[in-house]
Amino acid sequence: AQSVTQPDIHITVSEGASLELRCNYSYGATPYLFWYVQSPGQGLQLLLKYFSGDTLVQGIKGFEAEFKRSQSSFNLRKPSVHWSDAAEYFCAVGANNNDMRFGAGTRLTVKP
Amino acid sequence: EAGVAQSPRYKIIEKRQSVAFWCNPISGHATLYWYQQILGQGPKLLIQFQNNGVVDDSQLPKDRFSAERLKGVDSTLKIQPAKLEDSAVYLCASSLAGVSEQFFGPGTRLTVL
Repeated sequence: AQSVTQPDIHITVSEGASLELRCNYSYGATPYLFWYVQSPGQGLQLLLKYFSGDTLVQGIKGFEAEFKRSQSSFNLRKPSVHWSDAAEYFCAVGANNNDMRFGAGTRLTVKP
Repeated sequence: EAGVAQSPRYKIIEKRQSVAFWCNPISGHATLYWYQQILGQGPKLLIQFQNNGVVDDSQLPKDRFSAERLKGVDSTLKIQPAKLEDSAVYLCASSLAGVSEQFFGPGTRLTVL
């Protein structure tokens, strides 16, 4: 079965600084890859997803992610972080269009 | 467009009691998912419905958890009896076309004392 590792439990960045959240997956074939954001007391909101095609994916709120098959990675990036980006971020992998597995999440703190 | 609705938002019970959660998916969404999210972990799929039939319940602890989706719309997840380790947020999601298009509700936070 597929699996996801998010190596960083907690990251702190200053407002205006760039951000990269790491995600590594394990799956034998081409996976479906997702990034979600969860604010306190809220459900998960989809930031972006990758199925095929261009390996650089643009999402909402200025986020992007790059699929690197050779590294089994799908890291999330943002060039300039805003205080409102403070939240929990989850990477997820799907074996197909079903059976989604989530990572443990990375909590982002934004310093003023 | 209305989102996925869940109730209650919070529930506190004592161990060995029973509890039920309700989910109303987005109108027209045939697929409904229940996830369990324990503090510090990512969501884990408990059960997936396609209309009113079960597609996947391999990770549902069937000795104490049950779920139904009558008429292919609303769904109820029940725990009977609850254990301390059931303390978690229970998320409902619905989809028109697989996990790639699923939308999540706000969740129900369960605390078992």
